[in-house]
Amino acid sequence: DSGVTQTPKHLITATGQRVTLRCSPRSGDLSVYWYQQSLDQGLQFLIQYYNGEERAKGNILERFSAQQFPDLHSELNLSSLELGDSALYFCASSVGGSFYNEQFFGPGTRLTVL
Amino acid sequence: QQQVKQSPQSLIVQKGGISIINCAYENTAFDYFPWYQQFPGKGPALLIAIRPDVSEKKEGRFTISFNKSAKQFSLHIMDSQPGDSATYFCAATQGGSEKLVFGKGTKLTVNP
Repeated sequence: DSGVTQTPKHLITATGQRVTLRCSPRSGDLSVYWYQQSLDQGLQFLIQYYNGEERAKGNILERFSAQQFPDLHSELNLSSLELGDSALYFCASSVGGSFYNEQFFGPGTRLTVL
Repeated sequence: QQQVKQSPQSLIVQKGGISIINCAYENTAFDYFPWYQQFPGKGPALLIAIRPDVSEKKEGRFTISFNKSAKQFSLHIMDSQPGDSATYFCAATQGGSEKLVFGKGTKLTVNP
């Protein structure tokens, strides 16, 4: 158990809908990272927040947004969902804001868009 | 554009054998190369990492070999065990502030 929690575990929705994925980092970790894992694209970095501020941005679509709250939990919002958005979404956390820091991954949220 | 190329896609090894997974990169600015292990239904977990100022790093049965001139690095699992069956990802980043770029993964199966 990494200490990172993600909810929900599974999510099934329809095209065009909007969903919110939630992540609670390990106690004491200030950074939260979001990743998308799919069979064809592999593991792709989406976005990083450090202590409430956006720190780094990866291959995140404009239909996706994220934020980190004062209690350090984070939410990833996916809107206007398309079939291709079906994937595993992982949240990870680390103590510092550097990508040199070890990242601890949560169990993931499996999103299915029908 | 795939910045880190990983091979093979899948690997089957007998118990006690050596598993070798290779990665190649183009960006010479990469300065940190971690390997992650992922079991089915779980998130990836850091296994071992190396910086380019060393050619080899060993932790137990796991060794990273790094060839800076060839821009290649590999993971060797000695005395492979069925419990090592998982998907392994290599990754790379630069400067600590650039995103981690992952290889596509290698599914390792160790037969008893």
